[in-house]
Amino acid sequence: EDQVTQSPEALRLQEGESSSLNCSYTVSGLRGLFWYRQDPGKGPEFLFTLYSAGEEKEKERLKATLTKKESFLHITAPKPEDSATYLCAASGDSGYSTLTFGKGTMLLVSP
Amino acid sequence: KAGVTQTPRYLIKTRGQQVTLSCSPISGHRSVSWYQQTPGQGLQFLFEYFSETQRNKGNFPGRFSGRQFSNSRSEMNVSTLELGDSALYLCASSLRLAGDFADTQYFGPGTRLTVL
Repeated sequence: EDQVTQSPEALRLQEGESSSLNCSYTVSGLRGLFWYRQDPGKGPEFLFTLYSAGEEKEKERLKATLTKKESFLHITAPKPEDSATYLCAASGDSGYSTLTFGKGTMLLVSP
Repeated sequence: KAGVTQTPRYLIKTRGQQVTLSCSPISGHRSVSWYQQTPGQGLQFLFEYFSETQRNKGNFPGRFSGRQFSNSRSEMNVSTLELGDSALYLCASSLRLAGDFADTQYFGPGTRLTVL
């Protein structure tokens, strides 16, 4: 059974204090690793897709990396508007369009 | 380009009733997937429709069903509602291109269902 575990569950940062969120996955035949951001009461907003170990993607203050067992979302010099829940999801051989989600990391950035 | 739209946004029902939720995918996207999000279980996959056929199904009872129309719009139905069905129901669309890699799924705003 595919599994995705995210840590920490919650993270509080000061504005400008960089950190990383972790996503560990156990997926048979990884077909894609996805990062989303979700604000309260809204649907997940797509951030990154990673396909192969060693791949990196960047967007503004966010950088996602992928190894054979984990993915990291690095947040550099965060701002209060980066506060949200960050979700990691993986797709494997069990279903082409089936995403297995982690429980998310709730990030709060204080000014 | 317009995003994924879902209607209604909010719904209140009582136990035993049934409900139908609607999803319009991004123009050109042919696959629609449905997810249930609850505080305890997080986001869980319900099913996926592509070319009007259910392609994958998650571990949910038969009370949960869906369909897809020729224009790729999709509906999901929950019959005999239970209190535990209260959740945010999310729809996601993707291109569903052939290949070894999974396509990115783009989510709608969700339908908040409350069962009393």
